[in-house]
Amino acid sequence: AQTVTQSQPEMSVQEAETVTLSCTYDTSESDYYLFWYKQPPSRQMILVIRQEAYKQQNATENRFSVNFQKAAKSFSLKISDSQLGDAAMYFCAYRPPRYYGGATNKLIFGTGTLLAVQP
Amino acid sequence: DSGVTQTPKHLITATGQRVTLRCSPRSGDLSVYWYQQSLDQGLQFLIQYYNGEERAKGNILERFSAQQFPDLHSELNLSSLELGDSALYFCASSPLFPGGAGDEKLFFGSGTQLSVL
Repeated sequence: AQTVTQSQPEMSVQEAETVTLSCTYDTSESDYYLFWYKQPPSRQMILVIRQEAYKQQNATENRFSVNFQKAAKSFSLKISDSQLGDAAMYFCAYRPPRYYGGATNKLIFGTGTLLAVQP
Repeated sequence: DSGVTQTPKHLITATGQRVTLRCSPRSGDLSVYWYQQSLDQGLQFLIQYYNGEERAKGNILERFSAQQFPDLHSELNLSSLELGDSALYFCASSPLFPGGAGDEKLFFGSGTQLSVL
């Protein structure tokens, strides 16, 4: 069974600094999706970034980028120039391959990393 | 705003009771997903509907059921409630047929916080 592990329950970063959140996963598949979701105090789940496993290039969205190491099954999130609004719980999630049919959006989430941003 | 609407935002009830959570997906989205977020279990997939039909089940209890109506809104029914059912219940929708290109884009509602006392 696929699993997602986030080994850092809490992290802290100074405003304007860079922080990296770790995520590892386990799967026997070769084609899948990985996501980072942000959950601020409002509880809304907000998609931060996604990575398709068959793409070698690391995904980037403005100040957010990932380091995707497929062989190591590692998917870390780097937040550059951290802002106070980045403070939130961050979840790493795995989605099975598209050919799984109807269950394709059965996301498997990690336990989350609570990020604090210090002014 | 994701475009996914969930009501009510908060629900407080007693053990043994039955409640219904409602979700309206984004305009045009045919797939609806229900997730549960609890302190014990974290975020878990419960069930998925596509255009009125059940497509996939996750760790959904037999006391729970869901349906998707012709207007595409969905309801999650929780019965014989227990203290452990207290959780944040999310609905999410996606635009395309499961397995189709772009279907990985999930849009989450803001959730219904259920408290069972």
